Amino acid sequence: GDSVTQMEGPVTLSEEAFLTINCTYTATGYPSLFWYVQYPGEGLQLLLKATKADDKGSNKGFEATYRKETTSFHLEKGSVQVSDSAVYFCALGRSSNTGKLIFGQGTTLQVKP
Amino acid sequence: GAGVSQSPSNKVTEKGKDVELRCDPISGHTALYWYRQSLGQGLEFLIYFQGNSAPDKSGLPSDRFSAERTGGSVSTLTIQRTQQEDSAVYLCASSGEDREGTKNIQYFGAGTRLSVL
Repeated sequence: GDSVTQMEGPVTLSEEAFLTINCTYTATGYPSLFWYVQYPGEGLQLLLKATKADDKGSNKGFEATYRKETTSFHLEKGSVQVSDSAVYFCALGRSSNTGKLIFGQGTTLQVKP
Repeated sequence: GAGVSQSPSNKVTEKGKDVELRCDPISGHTALYWYRQSLGQGLEFLIYFQGNSAPDKSGLPSDRFSAERTGGSVSTLTIQRTQQEDSAVYLCASSGEDREGTKNIQYFGAGTRLSVL
């Protein structure tokens, strides 16, 4: 069945450092891929998405490219801020019939000033 | 409302009691989902409602769990005879189509934190 694997955290970075959070998936066909973020005390928010191979999702300085050949959707940001401290979830979904999302385990990011 | 609303935000109950958790989705969203977020298990899908179709209950962990969606809007997740392992944050999400026609953009509520003593 479908699955998502994320790099384990926590990840601790200094402000303005480069961020990469790895995400790989196992799925048949062409799922949609998502990154959700959960800030402390808040619910999950969609950060970015990509619906087909080679699509690049981007938002708030974060980017992720849907790589079919490596079944990956790594999250990157060139310069993190303290306000980016949160838990990041990679997820896989289908646009047809049952729309449930399959989530990775989540990666906690802590950015220090 | 503007977003997905869940109530209560926190619920403490005793083992063996029944609990009901409520979700009010975004107006106009036809799909509604329940997930559970617990330590060590991550985010698990529980149940999915789409319009008038039969719900996908494949993620419900036991027959103590049930959910209904009345009038295609508000949903209630019921846990009977709660156990300590039911302690988790229960998240509700709803979805519609975005401007690009992507159907699976799910918007989440803040969750209900359930603690079973």
